[in-house]
Amino acid sequence: SQQGEEDPQALSIQEGENATMNCSYKTSINNLQWYRQNSGRGLVHLILIRSNEREKHSGRLRVTLDTSKKSSSLLITASRAADTASYFCATDGNQFYFGTGTSLTVIP
Amino acid sequence: DAGVTQSPTHLIKTRGQQVTLRCSPKSGHDTVSWYQQALGQGPQFIFQYYEEEERQRGNFPDRFSGHQFPNYSSELNVNALLLGDSALYLCASSLWGRWAYGYTFGSGTRLTVV
Repeated sequence: SQQGEEDPQALSIQEGENATMNCSYKTSINNLQWYRQNSGRGLVHLILIRSNEREKHSGRLRVTLDTSKKSSSLLITASRAADTASYFCATDGNQFYFGTGTSLTVIP
Repeated sequence: DAGVTQSPTHLIKTRGQQVTLRCSPKSGHDTVSWYQQALGQGPQFIFQYYEEEERQRGNFPDRFSGHQFPNYSSELNVNALLLGDSALYLCASSLWGRWAYGYTFGSGTRLTVV
């Protein structure tokens, strides 16, 4: 069964705007990762945040983690058309449980 | 590029048939995990192989079986195909015990059961 749930399910923004998507999970974790998937192809690892971290940055990506609320958010700043994809959070273990995904559309 | 390679990319099978999907992990990786992704859903964990043994299994029936070879490549077999088995099957490789480094995914095999 899937551990996480992303919110919103779909998001449409103009190029240059920021996109924020959220992930909630059910059990305690050691780390949480975000992945991107283009058009039903393979997933690409974006960023990992450990349970003892509250915020992490990588380029235009900013991830926050609130373990007390069992939630994480992914912020993509200055979005580009190429950011159009589905985004999944995955919680750890020696297998990853993926959420249901947020479908992001960036309109040029 | 020494990423994860999956074959075939697309496959059409008839209900009741059997199918074998193949995966070559990223160079240096020793662990292979398989996921099923239905249209519009997130990937669902099927099972994971390390040292040629199934180490963990998700909530999938015995019709789903696998194998890992000494070169770390892996196969996913599905018997008695059902229409509901139509999905994108993703292979992901990693280093055993190094989950924090994330998985490297292949582009998947699109299986259609008719």
